[in-house]
Amino acid sequence: DIQMTQSPSTLSASVGDRVIITCRASQSISRWLAWYQQKPGKAPKLLIYKTSTLQSGVPSRFSGSGSGTEFTLTISSLQPDDFATYCCQHYGSFSPVTFGQGTKLEIK
Amino acid sequence: QVTLRESGPALVGPTQTLTLTCTFSGFSLTTSGLCVSWVRQPPGKALEWLALIDWDDDKYYSTSLKTRLTISKDTSKNQVVLTMTNMDPVDTATYYCARLTVPTNAFDIWGQGTMVTVSP
Repeated sequence: DIQMTQSPSTLSASVGDRVIITCRASQSISRWLAWYQQKPGKAPKLLIYKTSTLQSGVPSRFSGSGSGTEFTLTISSLQPDDFATYCCQHYGSFSPVTFGQGTKLEIK
Repeated sequence: QVTLRESGPALVGPTQTLTLTCTFSGFSLTTSGLCVSWVRQPPGKALEWLALIDWDDDKYYSTSLKTRLTISKDTSKNQVVLTMTNMDPVDTATYYCARLTVPTNAFDIWGQGTMVTVSP
């Protein structure tokens, strides 16, 4: 199975900062990568799919890029509502669904 | 409006079988490109995918758990059922059902989750 590894595990930042979260796949996954935001006690929320397509209603300060085995989620200017855990996910034609272990974004 | 809702026991004993039901509305699981999946999350830990069923009744399972899992659908009731056998305390988690759409290959709508505790 393909493994997804996120870094960092925890990230401390301030409102207004630009932050980047990385997700690496154990083998090439083309662009089949999604990102989710999860807050305590809540279900995950889809932010981005197919590496860079913003889900409807998601603010444009979120963006995604990458291909093959390395992918990034960028938040251009952190807002108070953005402090949460972020998770990547892959699903391909010949591989089961896999999630990264998550990155907790904390207030510095 | 698309919604999904999980239901099932909050407490199960070790070695018992867990049966969870996902009842959804706003879409049909006979529509090409739509799938429903189960994902769990132990307290304080990462999301773990369990199983997926698609519009064509194809079923896919986590490699590590496939001997214990069965997923099925009842399109007339708009329900997807997951059974997990031989429950263990390490299976204590919040269990979510979620809709996956092809070709986005992402979970666009999630249920609110149901907490299952495995304890004698």
